[in-house]
Amino acid sequence: GAGVSQSPSNKVTEKGKDVELRCDPISGHTALYWYRQSLGQGLEFLIYFQGNSAPDKSGLPSDRFSAERTGGSVSTLTIQRTQQEDSAVYLCASSFYGGNTDTQYFGPGTRLTVL
Amino acid sequence: QKEVEQDPGPLSVPEGAIVSLNCTYSNSAFQYFMWYRQYSRKGPELLMYTYSSGNKEDGRFTAQVDKSSKYISLFIRDSQPSDSATYLCAMGGDTDKLIFGTGTRLQVFP
Repeated sequence: GAGVSQSPSNKVTEKGKDVELRCDPISGHTALYWYRQSLGQGLEFLIYFQGNSAPDKSGLPSDRFSAERTGGSVSTLTIQRTQQEDSAVYLCASSFYGGNTDTQYFGPGTRLTVL
Repeated sequence: QKEVEQDPGPLSVPEGAIVSLNCTYSNSAFQYFMWYRQYSRKGPELLMYTYSSGNKEDGRFTAQVDKSSKYISLFIRDSQPSDSATYLCAMGGDTDKLIFGTGTRLQVFP
């Protein structure tokens, strides 16, 4: 596909369960970002990958959140022991080389609801 | 205080109106300023990018940056119903991280 894809598009889970969210960036893009978007909160930066390494994990809200990227491509965001406050839209973006002068292309997001 | 402040709206205007969207910020290190448009149930898409101060025009859209006042604006001329979306400002400085505003929801009615 031409754009960033994310799966699933919607996820409903029960409090305490683990969830995995997947991001497929644009082919050839070395930089990958995860954001969280909550009502009235804007986009909250979670983590940034350059290749397979994550130089900036500063936005991960707690140790229940982790992310990995393999083969410089697909990334997975894992939330363990989900809480109701984790309910949000999780957005992934990729850019060709990273940095503030490089355009970030966003996927459609995964809407997570924790009951 | 948030690093970037943006009025969430909603802002409702008639078709053909000039729309003004604004953000203020507190971090003087910001040098890169962007506006993203986000349609409902979609990811944001880059609309305008400006480096440092000044104006940039692209069709019906004009972005302005006033670094002395720490204030940025996006103007939409001859607004159309298809412009109805949420508009997010974003800013970056000397790190790879962008800081986003909360977004302003715009509705243009026929």
